[in-house]
Amino acid sequence: ELKVEQNPLFLSMQEGKNYTIYCNYSTTSDRLYWYRQDPGKSLESLFVLLSNGAVKQEGRLMASLDTKARLSTLHITAAVHDLSATYFCAVRYRYNNNDMRFGAGTRLTVKP
Amino acid sequence: DAGVTQSPTHLIKTRGQHVTLRCSPISGHKSVSWYQQVLGQGPQFIFQYYEKEERGRGNFPDRFSARQFPNYSSELNVNALLLGDSALYLCASSLAYRGSLGNTEAFFGQGTRLTVV
Repeated sequence: ELKVEQNPLFLSMQEGKNYTIYCNYSTTSDRLYWYRQDPGKSLESLFVLLSNGAVKQEGRLMASLDTKARLSTLHITAAVHDLSATYFCAVRYRYNNNDMRFGAGTRLTVKP
Repeated sequence: DAGVTQSPTHLIKTRGQHVTLRCSPISGHKSVSWYQQVLGQGPQFIFQYYEKEERGRGNFPDRFSARQFPNYSSELNVNALLLGDSALYLCASSLAYRGSLGNTEAFFGQGTRLTVV
């Protein structure tokens, strides 16, 4: 059974600081996703990572994937308040696009 | 284009009752999945349907069932509701359920918030 672990689960940052969220998964997969969720809202797709060494950046967020280590990171650069949300990583299970196994999420709070 | 649409957006039910949740995928998408997200946790995979056939099932009891219609919309049914079924139920659609880069991404609806009292 595929297990996905994120850490930290809670993260409080000052604006302007950098930090990294980690996502480990237990079995081989060929797709890793990062989603953002605001309170009471649905999931917003941030990144889809497809291969070992993949790196994608959008604004202050950068995601990377190491399939050999079964590890993905989401790096936050110079955090701003608008980034406050819960971030989930998810791994595609058994090559099924719609069967994703999610981590527990990292609740990020960015303070002025 | 409309995204994934779910109805209703909110629902309150009593323990022991039955509930039906509905999902319309993005036009052209043939694969639909259902997820349960309990407050404070990540979404948990319930079912996946493609071309009206079940293609994946998560670790949920038989009280949970689903089906997909010829127009690719889907229903999730839950019988004998328990307090623990209170959650946000998310529907996701994609073009296909396996495949290459072009159709890997799943798009989520806004969810149905179910409260069981």
